[in-house]
Amino acid sequence: GDSVTQMEGPVTLSEEAFLTINCTYTATGYPSLFWYVQYPGEGLQLLLKATKADDKGSNKGFEATYRKETTSFHLEKGSVQVSDSAVYFCALSDGTGGFKTIFGAGTRLFVKA
Amino acid sequence: EPEVTQTPSHQVTQMGQEVILRCVPISNHLYFYWYRQILGQKVEFLVSFYNNEISEKSEIFDDQFSVERPDGSNFTLKIRSTKLEDSAMYFCASSPRGVGELFFGEGSRLTVL
Repeated sequence: GDSVTQMEGPVTLSEEAFLTINCTYTATGYPSLFWYVQYPGEGLQLLLKATKADDKGSNKGFEATYRKETTSFHLEKGSVQVSDSAVYFCALSDGTGGFKTIFGAGTRLFVKA
Repeated sequence: EPEVTQTPSHQVTQMGQEVILRCVPISNHLYFYWYRQILGQKVEFLVSFYNNEISEKSEIFDDQFSVERPDGSNFTLKIRSTKLEDSAMYFCASSPRGVGELFFGEGSRLTVL
């Protein structure tokens, strides 16, 4: 079945450092890919998405490119801020199998001032 | 801005008791979901619901679980006889389409003693 694998955390960075969180997926069809973010005590909210190969999703300085050849969707940000501290989830939805979205295990990011 | 609302925010119950978690999805959305998250970690799919019936359910969603959309606005998750391992944060989500962004509520924390 479909699955999402993302790098384990926690990831600890200093403010203004470069961030990469790796995500790879397995899917039988042509999924849409997402990054969701969860701030402490809150629900998940969409950070960015890409619906087809080579699409780049971007939002709030974060970017991820849908790479079909490597089945990857790595999250990057050039300069993190303390306010980016949160848990980040990679996810996929392929529109089949009951319309469900499958999430990776989550990567906790701590940014120090 | 429309949002998904969940009640209660926290419920404490004794093992073996029935629990009903309530959700009001965004009004023009057609697809509804329940997910759970244990100890702030992996977000696990429980069930998807479309056109007044279950589209898919996970192996977690056994006979102790049920969902219902009793009227045009509410979407409920019932656990008939709670177990200790049901302690988790339960998130409701809705979506206008079967593929695409999920809109999450802030969650209902269930503690089973």
